[in-house]
Amino acid sequence: NAGVMQNPRHLVRRRGQEARLRCSPMKGHSHVYWYRQLPEEGLKFMVYLQKENIIDESGMPKERFSAEFPKEGPSILRIQQVVRGDSAAYFCASSQAGELFFGEGSRLTVL
Amino acid sequence: GIQVEQSPPDLILQEGANSTLRCNFSDSVNNLQWFHQNPWGQLINLFYIPSGTKQNGRLSATTVATERYSLLYISSSQTTDSGVYFCAPVSGGGADGLTFGKGTHLIIQP
Repeated sequence: NAGVMQNPRHLVRRRGQEARLRCSPMKGHSHVYWYRQLPEEGLKFMVYLQKENIIDESGMPKERFSAEFPKEGPSILRIQQVVRGDSAAYFCASSQAGELFFGEGSRLTVL
Repeated sequence: GIQVEQSPPDLILQEGANSTLRCNFSDSVNNLQWFHQNPWGQLINLFYIPSGTKQNGRLSATTVATERYSLLYISSSQTTDSGVYFCAPVSGGGADGLTFGKGTHLIIQP
């Protein structure tokens, strides 16, 4: 009875490197959401995906950030050329047209 | 987009006390969820409550969608209740994603 699985739990990158965060939704869920949380703040919506489709990316920065949810395999949030301001916790949630359930998050630190 | 205000921002209570956390939102909502983020950062689902009242043990929640607010009640607080409580509605006219408030930071002292 696995919940939403995210990995890695912690990731350290130097400025200019790439970060890839993975999310496997709960079994039977076809909707995936990515959120970002800065210290002492609430979660900010980034992107909403269904299998092979980006439904809403209104919260995604215009550059360096991309997301996908392929037909097979986990959803990927990719951050290219990371900067210190990208340091945050990135949460993934899944649903099946209803209640959202969150993973434990991936904490990205950019040195 | 929808605006979400939570109050109070911070709350310190003794073990055994009761509390009420409030969430006001600016637009009609299809759904609303309450979460507890524990000190380890995990987000725990508390309630999925677009309207009406639900209870789960020492916790209960009420959403009055027509008046655009939701309340979370915690009775007989325990130290494990410490953390941040987030309200997250889904706007009736927006994307399906939740919009989070800034949360109420609750500390329960033994």
